Amino acid sequence: NAGVTQTPKFRVLKTGQSMTLLCAQDMNHEYMYWYRQDPGMGLRLIHYSVGEGTTAKGEVPDGYNVSRLKKQNFLLGLESAAPSQTSVYFCASSYRSSYNSPLHFGNGTRLTVT
Amino acid sequence: GENVEQHPSTLSVQEGDSAVIKCTYSDSASNYFPWYKQELGKRPQLIIDIRSNVGEKKDQRIAVTLNKTAKHFSLHITETQPEDSAVYFCAASTPNQGGKLIFGQGTELSVKP
Repeated sequence: NAGVTQTPKFRVLKTGQSMTLLCAQDMNHEYMYWYRQDPGMGLRLIHYSVGEGTTAKGEVPDGYNVSRLKKQNFLLGLESAAPSQTSVYFCASSYRSSYNSPLHFGNGTRLTVT
Repeated sequence: GENVEQHPSTLSVQEGDSAVIKCTYSDSASNYFPWYKQELGKRPQLIIDIRSNVGEKKDQRIAVTLNKTAKHFSLHITETQPEDSAVYFCAASTPNQGGKLIFGQGTELSVKP
């Protein structure tokens, strides 16, 4: 099992450009999450999904969109990147809700917006 | 929504000493409190968790305590070793919030040999 795989690992964007981050899991998990990690601010939840075809907003959803067309994939989109979106992005998945099963994280995507 | 505050932001101890990291949460309905460890350049990984029907849980050198009345929980690491050096995150989950996990700001622990 690969677990949770994120692509790409690194990316540099110019302000206004768009991109999509891909998260794939092979553990048949129902729940998937996107977090961003910034120094001194911990892990902040952007969007999450409780099952195929569902999405919900987290703590900091503005400027991001997500889709969960297939159970194993969770895509995070930036339509018009801003320097404030420079961060490390982590995808995670869990079998059921985080209360019943631990989160499994990917290795992260380091995004720089200039 | 839930808000989790974590202290201290950095902690330096000598090898063999104990380390304590504290977190407070705002939503009294929160009932699950995990701790994650993130080594430099790696992904966060679960190290221990506690549910609201338990006051304390131990796993070898690590333990977590929960005070529901005061809405705070703590991570205790005894006999610290250099490999304990990492960033530690506490988190809280509220059942009526869709099962999402809200994290604290993180504590960078440095264990000096």
